[in-house]
Amino acid sequence: QQPVQSPQAVILREGEDAVINCSSSKALYSVHWYRQKHGEAPVFLMILLRGGEQKGHDKISASFNEKKQQSSLYLTASQLSYSGTYFCGTESDTGNQFYFGTGTSLTVIP
Amino acid sequence: ETGVTQTPRHLVMGMTNKKSLKCEQHLGHNAMYWYKQSAKKPLELMFVYSLEERVENNSVPSRFSPECPNSSHLFLHLHTLQPEDSALYLCASSPYQGTFTNEQFFGPGTRLTVL
Repeated sequence: QQPVQSPQAVILREGEDAVINCSSSKALYSVHWYRQKHGEAPVFLMILLRGGEQKGHDKISASFNEKKQQSSLYLTASQLSYSGTYFCGTESDTGNQFYFGTGTSLTVIP
Repeated sequence: ETGVTQTPRHLVMGMTNKKSLKCEQHLGHNAMYWYKQSAKKPLELMFVYSLEERVENNSVPSRFSPECPNSSHLFLHLHTLQPEDSALYLCASSPYQGTFTNEQFFGPGTRLTVL
């Protein structure tokens, strides 16, 4: 029931782009994205609701394809501060079930 | 204090000990959560409380016992734990209206080691 994220890890140079995918086997009502830096608590990035909306702020955006039960997080022109582990969280549309994904470790190097 | 605070930040306990983790939120939220984060595993939702009532219990062993005396405080009572229970325990809070479609604010976590 927990969503699967890909890739598991990625290394980027500053200025490069990355895409992180989150895939669920269940029909979804919402998808959350969080970033956790080493030794710190997860920090909220955005929530997407069923309806295929796309959200973004600054150079981080996301999309939600409810037919495929997938969400993608897009990081453009990556900065050193983007380094961390990214988690998607999915809420099922059949009830109050919420699961975090397996996580994607992203490292941005100069 | 602002946000979500957790105490203690680090805890080492033996398998026969009884201890408690405390979480406090200063955000006026009506829901609080306990998560377990182990190495190489995703965040696992353990318990959810909304308005002091438990709304989610994800098949957590009975050696973990939550308590929510009011909407600002959440405890996790621990007894006869196993070494595999060693992990980072995170508390979070959010507004809650029957769904999870709100941002969750996390505390810094308690690093638990069971010997």
